[in-house]
Amino acid sequence: DAGVIQSPRHEVTEMGQEVTLRCKPISGHDYLFWYRQTMMRGLELLIYFNNNVPIDDSGMPEDRFSAKMPNASFSTLKIQPSEPRDSAVYFCASSLRLVFQAKNIQYFGAGTRLSVL
Amino acid sequence: GQQLNQSPQSMFIQEGEDVSMNCTSSSIFNTWLWYKQDPGEGPVLLIALYKAGELTSNGRLTAQFGITRKDSFLNISASIPSDVGIYFCAGQKSYSGAGSYQLTFGKGTKLSVIP
Repeated sequence: DAGVIQSPRHEVTEMGQEVTLRCKPISGHDYLFWYRQTMMRGLELLIYFNNNVPIDDSGMPEDRFSAKMPNASFSTLKIQPSEPRDSAVYFCASSLRLVFQAKNIQYFGAGTRLSVL
Repeated sequence: GQQLNQSPQSMFIQEGEDVSMNCTSSSIFNTWLWYKQDPGEGPVLLIALYKAGELTSNGRLTAQFGITRKDSFLNISASIPSDVGIYFCAGQKSYSGAGSYQLTFGKGTKLSVIP
């Protein structure tokens, strides 16, 4: 399996522009997670989906952030308009729920490093 | 939100030395995970722990799930240069079929190995 695939790997944009980050989870996984990583706050969960349905978006910092999962193999995280404080590394992760087992091994993509100037 | 206290924040050690790091929480977790992150990459799972008291090894790595369910530690024996990176602990509260599948991450331990 190719693992979780994120694109782009790097994004540099100007304040006020729309940014779209993309993620392809591991085939067959039914959970998808979006995280943001910064030096100050570490890894923060933004939102996660189960079977393409958003379950918890309480980590999304503002209405400028939105995430969609139109099908099982694709998700996007959009920031509109972007601000310099959004600069961070954004990770997507996926996992497979194992029935009757308390296991949640999340597999991470390589991340998108976003710089908002 | 929930925080995991991970220590130390950073370590500088000589190649060949053993390393210990730990995570503590004020609340109970049902699963503890340890990840490693290399520069420019995403976290990669090293060890998963599912039962209180569980001791699990993966090569030179050993991790334990604390009896109280509020802590976990990771040991690396005979460190080598490729052990360099940031190590994260993560806890999960919910069992399968109930509640959320969220992981709470510690802030990481940055390991530097001096050849």
